[in-house]
Amino acid sequence: AQSVSQHNHHVILSEAASLELGCNYSYGGTVNLFWYVQYPGQHLQLLLKYFSGDPLVKGIKGFEAEFIKSKFSFNLRKPSVQWSDTAEYFCAVRSSGGYNKLIFGAGTRLAVHP
Amino acid sequence: DTGVSQNPRHKITKRGQNVTFRCDPISEHNRLYWYRQTLGQGPEFLTYFQNEAQLEKSRLLSDRFSAERPKGSFSTLEIQRTEQGDSAMYLCASSSAGESEQFFGPGTRLTVL
Repeated sequence: AQSVSQHNHHVILSEAASLELGCNYSYGGTVNLFWYVQYPGQHLQLLLKYFSGDPLVKGIKGFEAEFIKSKFSFNLRKPSVQWSDTAEYFCAVRSSGGYNKLIFGAGTRLAVHP
Repeated sequence: DTGVSQNPRHKITKRGQNVTFRCDPISEHNRLYWYRQTLGQGPEFLTYFQNEAQLEKSRLLSDRFSAERPKGSFSTLEIQRTEQGDSAMYLCASSSAGESEQFFGPGTRLTVL
């Protein structure tokens, strides 16, 4: 069965610090990969996605993620975080060609202090 | 607002009661999904509709759960004889055909006393 593992449940950073959130998945076939964000009191929103092509994908608000197939990883990065990045971040995988259900990790709660 | 909407936003019920939630997807989306999210976890897939056809159901969806999408537009999720373990956030998402992004609604938070 597919699964997604997010390494850190809670991360605390100061503004301007760099961010990297780990995500590993288990699935042997072709996958689509996603990072969703949930700001306090808001819906889940898509940050970025990888389907194919360049393994370095750029999303909204300065976020990027790198797909490393050999490591089954899709880590999220941002060079300089802001207080407004305080949110919960979810990595998700979808098997390509399936019914499109998403398998989510447990999430990482990020707190950015001014 | 043309996003996914869910009603009610909050529901408190007593154990053993039945509850029904509604999801209105983005109008041109033919795919609709239900997920459940408990505290400290990511959303877990429950079921998927393409138009009015329910094409996949998770093993999480016990016999007490039923979902419908009668005209291929809005969907309802009913839980019969609720249990305390059903307390969770129930999320609905929709997408268009193909390998496209799922748009999530605000969720319905269920508390079973």
